[in-house]
Amino acid sequence: NAGVTQTPKFQVLKTGQSMTLQCAQDMNHEYMSWYRQDPGMGLRLIHYSVGAGITDQGEVPNGYNVSRSTTEDFPLRLLSAAPSQTSVYFCASSYVRHVQETQYFGPGTRLLVL
Amino acid sequence: QQQVKQSPQSLIVQKGGISIINCAYENTAFDYFPWYQQFPGKGPALLIAIRPDVSEKKEGRFTISFNKSAKQFSLHIMDSQPGDSATYFCAARNERGSTLGRLYFGRGTQLTVWP
Repeated sequence: NAGVTQTPKFQVLKTGQSMTLQCAQDMNHEYMSWYRQDPGMGLRLIHYSVGAGITDQGEVPNGYNVSRSTTEDFPLRLLSAAPSQTSVYFCASSYVRHVQETQYFGPGTRLLVL
Repeated sequence: QQQVKQSPQSLIVQKGGISIINCAYENTAFDYFPWYQQFPGKGPALLIAIRPDVSEKKEGRFTISFNKSAKQFSLHIMDSQPGDSATYFCAARNERGSTLGRLYFGRGTQLTVWP
């Protein structure tokens, strides 16, 4: 199993550009989520999904869109990039109903918005 | 509103010493409390976790202490080693309701263990 994969690893955008961060998992996990990590702020949840076709907002959803058309994929779209979206983005997945199931994190995408 | 509060923000410990990181929460619906370890340039990885029906869980040099009445839990790293230098996140999960499966993270503690 590849686990959770994210592409790209690095990206530089100009303000106003749009892009999609890709996330895929091959563990048949129901639950997938996107976090952003900023110094001193920890991991903040952007959007999450408890299954294909079901998504919900986390604590910092503004400026981001998600969709979940398949169990495996959970792309994160930046609609119009802003310097405040410079961050490291992590995708994670897990089973929902296994009480002690761990969340598996991808390696991250480092995004710089100029 | 920070659902899980973590302290300290940074911690420096001598090799062989004990590292202690504390977390507190308010939501009594939380019933699963994992700790994640993150090395630079990597994603977080599960280190150890506890359910509130026990007061302590130990795995090797890592121990979680849980105080349900105080709504606090802590990570103890015994005989701390330079290889333990990393960022540690506590988290809590609500196993029920509309936020099923969602993890709430503390802001992290950067641990440095000096040789």
